[in-house]
Amino acid sequence: QVQLQESGPGLVKPSETLSLTCTVSGGSISTYYWNWIRQPAGKGLEWIGRIYTSGSTNYNPSLKSRVTMSVDTSRNQFSLKLSSVTAADTALYYCARDRFISAFDMWGQGTMVTVSS
Amino acid sequence: DIVMTQSPDSLAVSLGERATINCKSSQSVLYSSNNKNNLAWYQQKPGQPPKLLIYWASTRESGVPDRFSGSGSGTDFTLTISSLQAEDVAVYYCQQYYTTPFMYTFGQGTKLEIK
Repeated sequence: QVQLQESGPGLVKPSETLSLTCTVSGGSISTYYWNWIRQPAGKGLEWIGRIYTSGSTNYNPSLKSRVTMSVDTSRNQFSLKLSSVTAADTALYYCARDRFISAFDMWGQGTMVTVSS
Repeated sequence: DIVMTQSPDSLAVSLGERATINCKSSQSVLYSSNNKNNLAWYQQKPGQPPKLLIYWASTRESGVPDRFSGSGSGTDFTLTISSLQAEDVAVYYCQQYYTTPFMYTFGQGTKLEIK
């Protein structure tokens, strides 16, 4: 059974870069689209971006200037960097898989990131 | 920008009754290359990640009870729970996938409660 687990700092200072990693276990990362999605407390879901195992990426146009995603197939991991963060970036960050069905069939449990000095 | 609008924002239904949630997209999500509507539905319970219920508008994900069904095409879609169970209390989201510009977009969510 494939499982996804997010990891990274829970607190980031304003103007700094948020960095998260998603580790995929129980299956290979080598196929499918791998995504980051976030959810501010008590609010809805926002797609951040996706990466294919070739390294090809697509980003949410509203975040594109600040987002970088990468993949490490040898470690079965993919990562998110979000630069110049503000309090508006405080959210629960999920990693998720799209198995080519235009939807997210597997999700991590999420990791909470707070932007505060 | 493509906007997904769900209705209602909240809904209270008696146990065993039918629950219906609607989702409207500002543009068609019918993907010509595969003739599929790229519309999915999720269930999110407190403290949990969303769970995929339906994809391609009407295809039930493996393991999802058959009381959950999806319908619609183009810009208007519906999630129906045929006989509400207590464990169905949750927030439900629709989500579309569009290629120009490339985006996945979620609706604002519908909170489903027991009456």
